[in-house]
Amino acid sequence: DTGVSQDPRHKITKRGQNVTFRCDPISEHNRLYWYRQTLGQGPEFLTYFQNEAQLEKSRLLSDRFSAERPKGSFSTLEIQRTEQGDSAMYLCASSLGSSGSGNEQFFGPGTRLTVL
Amino acid sequence: GENVEQHPSTLSVQEGDSAVIKCTYSDSASNYFPWYKQELGKRPQLIIDIRSNVGEKKDQRIAVTLNKTAKHFSLHITETQPEDSAVYFCAAWFTGTASKLTFGTGTRLQVTL
Repeated sequence: DTGVSQDPRHKITKRGQNVTFRCDPISEHNRLYWYRQTLGQGPEFLTYFQNEAQLEKSRLLSDRFSAERPKGSFSTLEIQRTEQGDSAMYLCASSLGSSGSGNEQFFGPGTRLTVL
Repeated sequence: GENVEQHPSTLSVQEGDSAVIKCTYSDSASNYFPWYKQELGKRPQLIIDIRSNVGEKKDQRIAVTLNKTAKHFSLHITETQPEDSAVYFCAAWFTGTASKLTFGTGTRLQVTL
């Protein structure tokens, strides 16, 4: 499968624990995005990378959230001291170039986080 | 701020009928408008997109129209089939304080036999 992949697909954790998700984009894509999707809502932008540089961060991304893309390939999203409000589907997407130039964002299957 | 409104939130049509979903956006500088289809438990998948220099785009049974002056765009699905049943999201690329794709809240389309 040469599409965007995410790991794990499901994560159940207790409040206060740290969790880390991984995203592997389509190999030649230089842009990588993280979104959060809650039930009945559209994906909400969290952050994006161009190669290894994190260029935008949403106000939704509190200090407990951190994302990295150290070699410009895969990315990780870490949530520290999880809260029940963090329960959501975390989606990763990648694109070859800016969507502002009409480049499609391809989504991964998501990681569903449940915080108990 | 950046905002995309989408209507209706649910839409039920009979097989063979047409379905129309409408979105409005807040930033007149937005220049890219994709539509995604998300089936239950699956990832969002692009079905059609349009750039701001074009007023209409068609791909088989799916078409999108864009009115830049009114800042709204619409998805049209003709000859609907049961496999069209899904949640559809519109989105707009904003270039203001943050360059990002902002999604609408989704339309759940149900195509009945």
